[in-house]
Amino acid sequence: DAGITQSPRHKVTETGTPVTLRCHQTENHRYMYWYRQDPGHGLRLIHYSYGVKDTDKGEVSDGYSVSRSKTEDFLLTLESATSSQTSVYFCAIKSGRGDNEQFFGPGTRLTVL
Amino acid sequence: GESVGLHLPTLSVQEGDNSIINCAYSNSASDYFIWYKQESGKGPQFIIDIRSNMDKRQGQRVTVLLNKTVKHLSLQIAATQPGDSAVYFCAERNAGGTSYGKLTFGQGTILTVHP
Repeated sequence: DAGITQSPRHKVTETGTPVTLRCHQTENHRYMYWYRQDPGHGLRLIHYSYGVKDTDKGEVSDGYSVSRSKTEDFLLTLESATSSQTSVYFCAIKSGRGDNEQFFGPGTRLTVL
Repeated sequence: GESVGLHLPTLSVQEGDNSIINCAYSNSASDYFIWYKQESGKGPQFIIDIRSNMDKRQGQRVTVLLNKTVKHLSLQIAATQPGDSAVYFCAERNAGGTSYGKLTFGQGTILTVHP
């Protein structure tokens, strides 16, 4: 599993509430990514990080923020959850900028009612 | 091949047959193309990649073919096994600028292998 965990694994919340998902890695990889996976859309990049305190937006970043205060943790926050953010969220890590092999976590299933 | 919409392309094969999964990509400037496999309830897993200046690359039981003329990528799995049943995603790697190294995934193809 490349030492990557996600928490929580499942969450049900209500519209308008804040939600934070955590990605934790134990292998000191520099690059970390948050994706969402929805039927018909495959995996879409939300935000990514290329080092501590270094983050950037992906293709579907609206409504999401991230933080990386230490190498091992990458947090994804939905400031005010909406039903359109119901999805499965995957975290991924890789060592080098030129690497193609991203290691994915087990995913978090989020339902916003 | 991959397609827009809610219904993923599907491929059903018998155990022992060869499987071919197709993908059409959009960005001619991508420098690598990658295949990932996702089993039910798990995150995607890297299978194989191919650089854009190559047209074929072989791995263990898998071969990836790249046709840049028609922007087409395929994954061939030899002697398909029930454990190969999964969703297969192709991905393009961004070649430059601030987006260098980021992947854009296709929508996936469901492979079902019957014993």
